[in-house]
Amino acid sequence: AQRVTQPEKLLSVFKGAPVELKCNYSYSGSPELFWYVQYSRQRLQLLLRHISRESIKGFTADLNKGETSFHLKKPFAQEEDSAMYYCALEVGGIQGAQKLVFGQGTRLTINP
Amino acid sequence: EAGVTQFPSHSVIEKGQTVTLRCDPISGHDNLYWYRRVMGKEIKFLLHFVKESKQDESGMPNNRFLAERTGGTYSTLKVQPAELEDSGVYFCASSQVGLRTFFGQGTRLTVV
Repeated sequence: AQRVTQPEKLLSVFKGAPVELKCNYSYSGSPELFWYVQYSRQRLQLLLRHISRESIKGFTADLNKGETSFHLKKPFAQEEDSAMYYCALEVGGIQGAQKLVFGQGTRLTINP
Repeated sequence: EAGVTQFPSHSVIEKGQTVTLRCDPISGHDNLYWYRRVMGKEIKFLLHFVKESKQDESGMPNNRFLAERTGGTYSTLKVQPAELEDSGVYFCASSQVGLRTFFGQGTRLTVV
């Protein structure tokens, strides 16, 4: 069965400290993983996807197939990073569709 | 460019009433998705349209939910009759084939 687990519902760190949001997945196929972010009063938006291997707003995420993980990391947290973060797994893929399975989300708070 | 738009942003209805949620996808996006986040749980897939055709409705909870996308443009999600457990945030999303998914701001439905 496909599943995404984000073990931390809440995570609080100080500004300038490193941050890591954990994500583990379960999927029998070749995984395509994403991190979505929802800032206060804004819509859910794509932060990054593993296939592009890019860094967005200082965040990176590496797919580790051995550990079935896709943790999100940033070396120095900023106050504007405070938001709800969702890890998501693409499944199905009929006709190029993106059916997403989401984790429960982690609310990240950056303290000044 | 207009994003995915959802109406209304909030809806409070009594148990047993009917509510219709609307989603206007980004123009030209053939894929349209509905997702739902029930309080304290993860965002879950409801269904997927390709143009006006239902491609995957495996996530629809029961037959009280009816989604339509006449003409392949906007979509509606009707809940009739609404129950308390239907309360949550309903997200609509759209994408072009093989490209990133864009989410609407969500409709917060409260059934009292």
